[in-house]
Amino acid sequence: KQEVTQIPAALSVPEGENLVLNCSFTDSAIYNLQWFRQDPGKGLTSLLLIQSSQREQTSGRLNASLDKSSGRSTLYIAASQPGDSATYLCAVWGGSYIPTFGRGTSLIVHP
Amino acid sequence: EAQVTQNPRYLITVTGKKLTVTCSQNMNHEYMSWYRQDPGLGLRQIYYSMNVEVTDKGDVPEGYKVSRKEKRNFPLILESPSPNQTSLYFCASSLRTGGYTEAFFGQGTRLTVV
Repeated sequence: KQEVTQIPAALSVPEGENLVLNCSFTDSAIYNLQWFRQDPGKGLTSLLLIQSSQREQTSGRLNASLDKSSGRSTLYIAASQPGDSATYLCAVWGGSYIPTFGRGTSLIVHP
Repeated sequence: EAQVTQNPRYLITVTGKKLTVTCSQNMNHEYMSWYRQDPGLGLRQIYYSMNVEVTDKGDVPEGYKVSRKEKRNFPLILESPSPNQTSLYFCASSLRTGGYTEAFFGQGTRLTVV
């Protein structure tokens, strides 16, 4: 059974730092991996989707990479801002098309 | 606008009073699912549906029912709610085509059972 782990579970940084959030998965036979952002008590907003044939995706200050063979993905946030404070979740899709979610990294960016 | 719509957003109810949380998507997605999210436990899948009239249990199905009579709708039914079902619930949908899938989530339903 696929397991997804996100490290660290929580992170607090000063504004302006470049950040790396990690997501690892146990079964490398995935179709794609998706990163989400969740604000407290709110829904999940899709940030980036990486298909299995891709190595990375970029959107603004966000860059997500995927290394299927090692079962890892990283979400890089450049020049962090207080508005980036949220929980970040990754999800992977395997052959059954049923996603498996990590528990998320709770990020606080303080001014 | 592509979206997944849940209703209601907030609900307070009493133990044992049947309730339904609706979920509708306008993207013609085959796959729909329900999750609950609790502090420290992350997202846990309750039920999912691969297509119309095809539903299956997720990780925590006890106390819940679902139906998929139409492609766009996937209601979550609590026949006899209990306080341990107090949680934040999310509906999600995704397209399944040629190995590509991307999930869209509703805004969530905050349920309190007293």
